[in-house]
Amino acid sequence: DTAVSQTPKYLVTQMGNDKSIKCEQNLGHDTMYWYKQDSKKFLKIMFSYNNKELIINETVPNRFSPKSPDKAHLNLHINSLELGDSAVYFCASSQGGQGNPRGEQFFGPGTRLTVL
Amino acid sequence: DAKTTQPNSMESNEEEPVHLPCNHSTISGTDYIHWYRQLPSQGPEYVIHGLTSNVNNRMASLAIAEDRKSSTLILHRATLRDAAVYYCIPYYNFNKFYFGSGTKLNVKP
Repeated sequence: DTAVSQTPKYLVTQMGNDKSIKCEQNLGHDTMYWYKQDSKKFLKIMFSYNNKELIINETVPNRFSPKSPDKAHLNLHINSLELGDSAVYFCASSQGGQGNPRGEQFFGPGTRLTVL
Repeated sequence: DAKTTQPNSMESNEEEPVHLPCNHSTISGTDYIHWYRQLPSQGPEYVIHGLTSNVNNRMASLAIAEDRKSSTLILHRATLRDAAVYYCIPYYNFNKFYFGSGTKLNVKP
């Protein structure tokens, strides 16, 4: 059983297109995250949702919009894709979020997005 | 936010212990020290965390300096599977959960 799963694993698309990445966790966690890992391998948090409510929105362009239909899912929709959006996107989940500094985060396998 | 300093890379022989250091001199009193690792082409995975006392689990040990300004992740017997980038992350709540550049560990057979 995969704890945190993402689809698709690879995504190749043209500039200007709109795309979505889906994430699901079966751990019963109440907090989910999106991270971006760029070509230099720096991993940065983008969004965090706690109980379907947006908690963190780091400096991310408005073209990126997270959607959480329920606690087990956090999807990432990207409008008007740009070359600089090419990266690996990781979804993660944890229990407790803010107020639980002991919370272990479980990461998905990543989605490699390539914008041509 | 607590900043961290880790060696860019380290090398170890298989079956030998590895000590991965991390300096976090600006850590606050409430920051837990988390360690994660990222194997090639995979998402990060949790290794261990602690606050003040040394900690052990099935993967590793964490030694925390008395002044908490540094910590050391100890892999007791490195295997080829332990080759990864190891991140030290002082962490209080998730809006301070920042990955630095980490230490790339190479394990030689």
